[in-house]
Amino acid sequence: AQSVSQHNHHVILSEAASLELGCNYSYGGTVNLFWYVQYPGQHLQLLLKYFSGDPLVKGIKGFEAEFIKSKFSFNLRKPSVQWSDTAEYFCAVKDTDKLIFGTGTRLQVFP
Amino acid sequence: EAQVTQNPRYLITVTGKKLTVTCSQNMNHEYMSWYRQDPGLGLRQIYYSMNVEVTDKGDVPEGYKVSRKEKRNFPLILESPSPNQTSLYFCASSLSVTDYTDTQYFGPGTRLTVL
Repeated sequence: AQSVSQHNHHVILSEAASLELGCNYSYGGTVNLFWYVQYPGQHLQLLLKYFSGDPLVKGIKGFEAEFIKSKFSFNLRKPSVQWSDTAEYFCAVKDTDKLIFGTGTRLQVFP
Repeated sequence: EAQVTQNPRYLITVTGKKLTVTCSQNMNHEYMSWYRQDPGLGLRQIYYSMNVEVTDKGDVPEGYKVSRKEKRNFPLILESPSPNQTSLYFCASSLSVTDYTDTQYFGPGTRLTVL
């Protein structure tokens, strides 16, 4: 079965810094990949998703992710973070009939 | 408004007292799922349902039951809750999980504490 690794458990940044959160999945073939965000006290919301085509995927709120098949990676990026990006970020991969989630990365952005 | 609703949002109970967390979606989705979220473990799937009267175990089904008598509702039942079921629970739905372009929509979460 698929698995997902998020190696950054806790990231602390100042506003305007650039962000890159790592995500690796376990095996290749056709993959459907997602990034979800969970703001404090809220439910998960979809940031972006990749199914096929252009490996650079643009999502909401200025986020983007790049699918690199050779590296089994789907890293999330944002050129300049804001305080309001403080949240927990989850990478997920679809595996037959469910989503497999990573353990999450907690991002704290300080003004 | 398209949404997934869960009730209650917060619940404190005692060991052994049966409880039900309701989940309802108004998007006519076929697929529904329950997850629990624990610090450092991410989200883990408890049970899922591909359609009415079709349910299957996820990764952590022990101690939970579900039913899917109607398309819109997918309640999670804890027959005899224990402290290790203290967690944040999310219900999710999607149109059809077999459609590779499909996206899951999540409910607001239910924070359960079992004393």
